[in-house]
Amino acid sequence: AQRVTQPEKLLSVFKGAPVELKCNYSYSGSPELFWYVQYSRQRLQLLLRHISRESIKGFTADLNKGETSFHLKKPFAQEEDSAMYYCALGDAGGTSYGKLTFGQGTILTVHP
Amino acid sequence: ETGVTQTPRHLVMGMTNKKSLKCEQHLGHNAMYWYKQSAKKPLELMFVYSLEERVENNSVPSRFSPECPNSSHLFLHLHTLQPEDSALYLCASSQDQGAYGYTFGSGTRLTVV
Repeated sequence: AQRVTQPEKLLSVFKGAPVELKCNYSYSGSPELFWYVQYSRQRLQLLLRHISRESIKGFTADLNKGETSFHLKKPFAQEEDSAMYYCALGDAGGTSYGKLTFGQGTILTVHP
Repeated sequence: ETGVTQTPRHLVMGMTNKKSLKCEQHLGHNAMYWYKQSAKKPLELMFVYSLEERVENNSVPSRFSPECPNSSHLFLHLHTLQPEDSALYLCASSQDQGAYGYTFGSGTRLTVV
């Protein structure tokens, strides 16, 4: 069974501080990990995916298979980063038709 | 509108009503999904359609009935719902087994009274 855990429901930081949103997963297959973000009054949108190893809006995330984690990090948070963030797990083997298991989400608030 | 469009945005229905939710995408994606988002719960997968064929039914009650007439349209037919079915219903689409992630619609906020 697939499972995604985001241990923090709420996370508050000050502008310019580093931020890390935690995500742990449980999956016996080949994992594919994503971070999605939902800004206020906007739809849920893809932020980044582990396979592309990219940095989007200053955020990065590294898949650590040993620790089964995919934490989202940004060295200097901005007020516009305030949003709900979801970690999602899929199957990299292409056998699950792209279905994703989502974590419960973390609300990030960046104070001025 | 580009991307994934869901209608209606809001829906209030009685437990004896029949209604349908509509999702439309013109991104050329070959898979479409229905997810349910309830308060204090993670997004729950309901149905997956790949190339217009239902490939996943995630133990969803029969009062929810999906339909995918073509690769651009997805419906969720609702009948005799319960108040606990009140939630945000999200449609998403993807290409290539979701390797590039989903494009989500804005959702339909459903209230069952």
